[in-house]
Amino acid sequence: GAGVSQSPSNKVTEKGKDVELRCDPISGHTALYWYRQSLGQGLEFLIYFQGNSAPDKSGLPSDRFSAERTGGSVSTLTIQRTQQEDSAVYLCASSFRMNTEAFFGQGTRLTVV
Amino acid sequence: LAKTTQPISMDSYEGQEVNITCSHNNIATNDYITWYQQFPSQGPRFIIQGYKTKVTNEVASLFIPADRKSSTLSLPRVSLSDTAVYYCLVGAFDAGNNRKLIWGLGTSLAVNP
Repeated sequence: GAGVSQSPSNKVTEKGKDVELRCDPISGHTALYWYRQSLGQGLEFLIYFQGNSAPDKSGLPSDRFSAERTGGSVSTLTIQRTQQEDSAVYLCASSFRMNTEAFFGQGTRLTVV
Repeated sequence: LAKTTQPISMDSYEGQEVNITCSHNNIATNDYITWYQQFPSQGPRFIIQGYKTKVTNEVASLFIPADRKSSTLSLPRVSLSDTAVYYCLVGAFDAGNNRKLIWGLGTSLAVNP
């Protein structure tokens, strides 16, 4: 596809379970971002990948959160031992470089019950 | 670290021009100012980007004064479909001289008939 693809679109999980969220960026985009957005709120930065450089993990809220980007393409955000406060929409975006036009996926709506 | 400040909400009527101003002190010298639009249940979408003075595209104009500590997104002749949340985004450096993208909290624009 031509855009950023995220899966699943919706995920309901029980508290304490682990979840994996997937992002397929636009081909050729070296920058990839993960954000979290709670209902009615702005974007909360989580992590940023740029090419082969070490990722900027400064936005990850706890050590339960981790992310990988394999082969400079697909990225997976993993949340371990989910908590109810993790419930939010998780958005992925990609761009050619930092602060060039970023294209966002539709997001994964995570609900922890 | 730079902070972006924009009005929480604005109201307008169809056919009017809407101007949304974002304040961004400590913006990185060589970085751009970018504006995004977000509709409910969708990821943000790029509107316009600029470095200084004025930039215009088919949907908006962006005015940036010489000191670059603020920017104004101008939407000409808004319609009901312009009802959305508008975010400004700038690049800045943190205390560790790491480049960051700083998002505003968003301006919720309501266009009335």
